Parts: sequence; structure tokens; C-alpha cells
Amino acid sequence: DVKVTQSSRYLVKRTGEKVFLECVQDMDHENMFWYRQDPGLGLRLIYFSYDVKMKEKGDIPEGYSVSREKKERFSLILESASTNQTSMYLCASSDLQTTEETQYFGPGTRLLVL
Amino acid sequence: GENVEQHPSTLSVQEGDSAVIKCTYSDSASNYFPWYKQELGKRPQLIIDIRSNVGEKKDQRIAVTLNKTAKHFSLHITETQPEDSAVYFCAASNAGNMLTFGGGTRLMVKP
Repeated sequence: DVKVTQSSRYLVKRTGEKVFLECVQDMDHENMFWYRQDPGLGLRLIYFSYDVKMKEKGDIPEGYSVSREKKERFSLILESASTNQTSMYLCASSDLQTTEETQYFGPGTRLLVL
Repeated sequence: GENVEQHPSTLSVQEGDSAVIKCTYSDSASNYFPWYKQELGKRPQLIIDIRSNVGEKKDQRIAVTLNKTAKHFSLHITETQPEDSAVYFCAASNAGNMLTFGGGTRLMVKP
């Protein structure tokens, strides 16, 4: 059973703070993703990674960076948090080796930037 | 890039009725179309998916249809139950495991 965990369920930060969101998966998946979820906008891809130290921009990368130093861990970094980054952040992983493209999601981190 | 539109944004049905959610996509190269269900406070989970070489797929009370020519696909839930209440997301993918999601549909099943 795939397990994707995220470091925090809820976070409150101040404008200008540096924020780290961590995601860990235990199924040796190559692909990992960071999305933000906002009402009416669905899930929008921020960044994804298909291998260690590899990253690709998604649809809304501005204001974010990522780090993947180990296969199981994918971090999302907000260098200087802003109020418009208040959102639900979801991490996901998938297996590149199979033909199934199912993405397995973490429980989400609800971030409030004051 | 791909653009996926989903309708309606909210849907209210009586228990036992059917529910239909529709999505359209823009990239004709897309070939994989999953549907995710997200219950309140929980993570999205895959409930059914379809590939472009298939026109319809069923799994008990849920079914998905795909019209490649028109570039739209739909989720059908029959005999709805209160536990079907959730937000449903459609998505489309054409390569490399990258999914583009629709805006979501909040389904409410009234007992």
C-alpha cells in the first residue's frame, strides 16, 4: 500500500518568511509532484521531479522552488511567503516504470500566510 | 499545454438518483483520463480511469465514457449514496505522468 506523507497538516507563517514543506513516499516511486489546491481551480501543478536532483516547472512555479536530494523525499520551498500563497498544498508520487499513471496523494498541508 | 474544463462545479442529487460530471480537454494527444474523489478533509484518491483506446469503462456503480473526437469524457454514478458526497476531479495526461486537472465538482447526495 502506497504511503505518501507530508510534514505538516497545518502551517501558519508570516509574510516574508521562508517556508519548507516536505513530502516523503515509501514506494520507491520515481515521480513526485507538488500541487496547490484552490476552490474552483482544481489542482495546479507547481513543480515535479522524475528523478533525484531533477526538477521540472509545472504550470505555476513562480514564487516556489523545490529540492529532491533523495528519491523518497521532495521538498517545496517558499523563499519569501506571500499572502497569495495561502492554499492547500498536495504532494503526490507515481511509478514511472509501470504503464499505470496513478498518482498517490499525501494528506495535504493547509498553509496560511498572514 | 493541456486545458481541462469540468462541469458542473456543484451538483446536488437525491439519494438513488444518477449523477453525471463532464470534462472537456484541449490536447488531442492526451491519452489517459483518470477521475479522483476527494472526501472532506482527505486526500484525492483514484476511483476510475480510462485510456484513449477504450470508449467506456465500468466499475460497479461508476462508469466513465470517452469521446475522443469531441474531446470530452464523463463520469457517471448510478444509485447515488450519501457516501458518494465528495469533490470529484477529472484529469488528462498525454505523457510522462503529468496530469492536468479540471476545476472539480462538489457532489452532494441528499438522503
